[in-house]
Amino acid sequence: EPEVTQTPSHQVTQMGQEVILRCVPISNHLYFYWYRQILGQKVEFLVSFYNNEISEKSEIFDDQFSVERPDGSNFTLKIRSTKLEDSAMYFCASSVQGKNTEAFFGQGTRLTVV
Amino acid sequence: SQQGEEDPQALSIQEGENATMNCSYKTSINNLQWYRQNSGRGLVHLILIRSNEREKHSGRLRVTLDTSKKSSSLLITASRAADTASYFCATDDWGAQKLVFGQGTRLTINP
Repeated sequence: EPEVTQTPSHQVTQMGQEVILRCVPISNHLYFYWYRQILGQKVEFLVSFYNNEISEKSEIFDDQFSVERPDGSNFTLKIRSTKLEDSAMYFCASSVQGKNTEAFFGQGTRLTVV
Repeated sequence: SQQGEEDPQALSIQEGENATMNCSYKTSINNLQWYRQNSGRGLVHLILIRSNEREKHSGRLRVTLDTSKKSSSLLITASRAADTASYFCATDDWGAQKLVFGQGTRLTINP
């Protein structure tokens, strides 16, 4: 069964360092998303991406964040200068359409900023 | 309450019993989705119910949606130990390409 895959599963980084989280969405999906979940809190939307551009982003997704689809399969989230409060589980998701269809999530990348 | 709030926050039942979780939301929606999350793992999609649907079944899962009350319920019948997980409802803001999640219900099935 097709699935969204994310790498790495766990990343530890020094505060101020840049990190890139990688995702391979399901191949026939057109809409891609990043969400995050701080430990013990709810899952929060970061950004949606369609047709090679951001279609929506939340207040969390500030200038420190960027997304890219560098080729036909990968979808990346970059955090330029990590802060302690960026420590969270980051989930990539994809869907066939943007509305009224199921969003399928990856297993997540646990980012720990020290 | 905020969009997509689940009730109860925690539920502990015996194996074989039915588990019911509720979700309330505030805005108009196209659909509501339920997800399961095992501890420290990813979100597994369970079921999507559209705003023009009232009830949907998938295996041991039954979901209802009452748009007049802006609420949904997830019923898991004949629970198993493997159903132990957190369950989240997620709504799409009308016209938005994002899901808004609630805090979740932590379900524990005791053998």
